[in-house]
Amino acid sequence: NAGVMQNPRHLVRRRGQEARLRCSPMKGHSHVYWYRQLPEEGLKFMVYLQKENIIDESGMPKERFSAEFPKEGPSILRIQQVVRGDSAAYFCASSPVTDAYGYTFGSGTRLTVV
Amino acid sequence: QKEVEQNSGPLSVPEGAIASLNCTYSDRVSQSFFWYRQYSGKSPELIMSIYSNGDKEDGRFTAQLNKASQYVSLLIRDSQPSDSATYLCAVNLDNYGQNFVFGPGTRLSVLP
Repeated sequence: NAGVMQNPRHLVRRRGQEARLRCSPMKGHSHVYWYRQLPEEGLKFMVYLQKENIIDESGMPKERFSAEFPKEGPSILRIQQVVRGDSAAYFCASSPVTDAYGYTFGSGTRLTVV
Repeated sequence: QKEVEQNSGPLSVPEGAIASLNCTYSDRVSQSFFWYRQYSGKSPELIMSIYSNGDKEDGRFTAQLNKASQYVSLLIRDSQPSDSATYLCAVNLDNYGQNFVFGPGTRLSVLP
């Protein structure tokens, strides 16, 4: 029973390139959450998705960032025209449909913008 | 702005002692509270959840919740060097959205 799978584990992008981060939730989980952790800072909520729906994107920067969770396949967090300030660890979590369980995080993607 | 606050530490305790980690939150309607442990360079790992006032024990860990005072704490008994990590307090703002707000974390160092 695989946990939350994120890939790649490490991603290096030059300024101006696009970064795509993928997240496959645990089996049976239909809720996906993306968080960002800047160096020496806490986890900040970015977006909450269900299949084919964005439920809450209040933590997403207004520009360059987008997320999707298609009917088939993993959830994707896309960052266009990356800048050095986007360098961070991006964690995905998933949870079951009901109730407010503490959710399980994936191993994260560490994005470095050079 | 809904906030979750923690002492940043580092909190140093000798091996075998009790480590006490505290967290306060600003939103009175919060219903669910969680403690995560994060080792350096790793992802957060859920170690405790608590939903009602009082104590909840799980092995060497005890979570304490006081909604009237808006604080939640984590006690680690018989601390081990392997407990050295950053401990994140998380508060669920509402049961529908499951939007968790995390505190900045407290770095714990258990000295052998």
